[in-house]
Amino acid sequence: DTAVSQTPKYLVTQMGNDKSIKCEQNLGHDTMYWYKQDSKKFLKIMFSYNNKELIINETVPNRFSPKSPDKAHLNLHINSLELGDSAVYFCASSQSKVPSYGYTFGSGTRLTVV
Amino acid sequence: AQSVSQHNHHVILSEAASLELGCNYSYGGTVNLFWYVQYPGQHLQLLLKYFSGDPLVKGIKGFEAEFIKSKFSFNLRKPSVQWSDTAEYFCAVRGGGSQGNLIFGKGTKLSVKP
Repeated sequence: DTAVSQTPKYLVTQMGNDKSIKCEQNLGHDTMYWYKQDSKKFLKIMFSYNNKELIINETVPNRFSPKSPDKAHLNLHINSLELGDSAVYFCASSQSKVPSYGYTFGSGTRLTVV
Repeated sequence: AQSVSQHNHHVILSEAASLELGCNYSYGGTVNLFWYVQYPGQHLQLLLKYFSGDPLVKGIKGFEAEFIKSKFSFNLRKPSVQWSDTAEYFCAVRGGGSQGNLIFGKGTKLSVKP
């Protein structure tokens, strides 16, 4: 069983489209995250949810909107996609707001905007 | 603000060579420190972590790291690398506060020649 699963694994879309990436964890964790990894492999936090409540919202364009229907799911919706949104997006989860045990990462979604 | 510096961008070694990857962080309080590995095309996996106690921590696959508080460092070591260690290595820090997100360094690419 995959602990943190993301779908789709690959996403190729045209500029201006709206797309969603889904993330689900079966670890019973109560905190979930979205990270963006750019072409230089730099990982940057985008959002964090704890028990469906948004606790971190970094400087991200408001075209990006996270949605957490329950604590096992954290989806990422992106409106009006731009070329610069091309990246790998990783979902992660941890046991609490204090991730003393580190994060468990999903396998990533490679988004390519053309 | 917390930050993490990984000074080596790309390290190239031959098999059986010893490895040390540098990681320095900036944060004045209590920190939790992590090393993650990302094999080509895969997600991040936790190698090891430090919270408190013995500053020399051992992780998976023969890796270890030493926390030196006076130097704000948490360098990763392995006595003898293998070709299968070829990957991107990320140091991460989580300091105090309620947000709990990990701050990652920019990563070090390790290439091991067979």
